[in-house]
Amino acid sequence: GDSVTQMEGPVTLSEEAFLTINCTYTATGYPSLFWYVQYPGEGLQLLLKATKADDKGSNKGFEATYRKETTSFHLEKGSVQVSDSAVYFCALSEGGGGNKLTFGTGTQLKVEL
Amino acid sequence: DTAVSQTPKYLVTQMGNDKSIKCEQNLGHDTMYWYKQDSKKFLKIMFSYNNKELIINETVPNRFSPKSPDKAHLNLHINSLELGDSAVYFCASSLQTRTDTQYFGPGTRLTVL
Repeated sequence: GDSVTQMEGPVTLSEEAFLTINCTYTATGYPSLFWYVQYPGEGLQLLLKATKADDKGSNKGFEATYRKETTSFHLEKGSVQVSDSAVYFCALSEGGGGNKLTFGTGTQLKVEL
Repeated sequence: DTAVSQTPKYLVTQMGNDKSIKCEQNLGHDTMYWYKQDSKKFLKIMFSYNNKELIINETVPNRFSPKSPDKAHLNLHINSLELGDSAVYFCASSLQTRTDTQYFGPGTRLTVL
């Protein structure tokens, strides 16, 4: 079945540091890929998405590129801020049969001054 | 203005009780979902409805019964609550294709004592 593997957290960075959160996936077809963010005490918000190979999703300085050859969708940001502290989830959707999201385990990011 | 709303936000109850969580979306979406987030923040699909019809039921105990009175509402009823049901339950909605973003509600934190 489908699965998503994310790097283990927590990740602690200083403000303005470079961020990479690794995500790889296993899917039988051609999934859409998503990054969701969960701020403390809140629900999930879409951060960015990519729906086909080589697409790059971007939002709020975050980027991720859909790499079919390495089945990866790594999240990057050039300069993190304290306000980026949250849990980040990589997810995929293969559509058909209900369009469910399959999530990775989440990576907690803490950004310090 | 809230796109996906859930009530209640917190639910504390005793083992063996029956409780319900309500979800409403005003986005005009056809598909609604329930996800469960455990204490380690892992998210897993429970149910999906499309236009009031159940299309995903992911090996959830039959003590959990979703009900969709119309396509804007998806409620979750839980019978005979157990300690292991303690979690955060998220409702979400989307259009029907694999590329479409799922919009999440704020979550309901259920604590079974």
